Amino acid sequence: DGGITQSPKYLFRKEGQNVTLSCEQNLNHDAMYWYRQDPGQGLRLIYYSQIVNDFQKGDIAEGYSVSREKKESFPLTVTSAQKNPTAFYLCASSISGGVDSGYGYTFGSGTRLTVV
Amino acid sequence: GQSLEQPSEVTAVEGAIVQINCTYQTSGFYGLSWYQQHDGGAPTFLSYNALDGLEETGRFSSFLSRSDSYGYLLLQELQMKDSASYFCAVKPGFQKLVFGTGTRLLVSP
Repeated sequence: DGGITQSPKYLFRKEGQNVTLSCEQNLNHDAMYWYRQDPGQGLRLIYYSQIVNDFQKGDIAEGYSVSREKKESFPLTVTSAQKNPTAFYLCASSISGGVDSGYGYTFGSGTRLTVV
Repeated sequence: GQSLEQPSEVTAVEGAIVQINCTYQTSGFYGLSWYQQHDGGAPTFLSYNALDGLEETGRFSSFLSRSDSYGYLLLQELQMKDSASYFCAVKPGFQKLVFGTGTRLLVSP
């Protein structure tokens, strides 16, 4: 079955460490996205990518970095510059980044990151 | 910029009908979507309105009025499993989707 796989499900980070969250999709979707969700809050866009080797900053990109070397993969690195990284991170994909969102986004099951 | 407003919480009983409203302000508009998220889970796509009017999918319906910058999600024949958070989302431009802060729906027996 096609879908999005995020790993790990839970991640603990020490102060000053960089950590990388994995996101892989086998839906053959062109566009991929990273969102951050804080308790009781909506989803805020960190980065998005419409095609391989191209990505754009979202609304809260500071302290994060991404790469898109393969269509299937869009890993997110939470750097030590991100001062408040504890949150639920969701990866999503869509057929294209174009205006037709009628098919919706498909989300992974998320990674819960905690700073210890 | 973009902003979306939804009620923070709605309560209802099994079998009832509930409406979750969403008003938005965006610099551009290419459709309103709705997503459902159970606690600790991934959001799942429910519906999409690009044009004014009502879209029906089983027990769920979604409505859009572009002139009023307003939409709603209507859930009928509520079941306990419908207890979740519901997010409206707009696509103001070519790429990204902007989400509201979500409405927590509590369905009681």
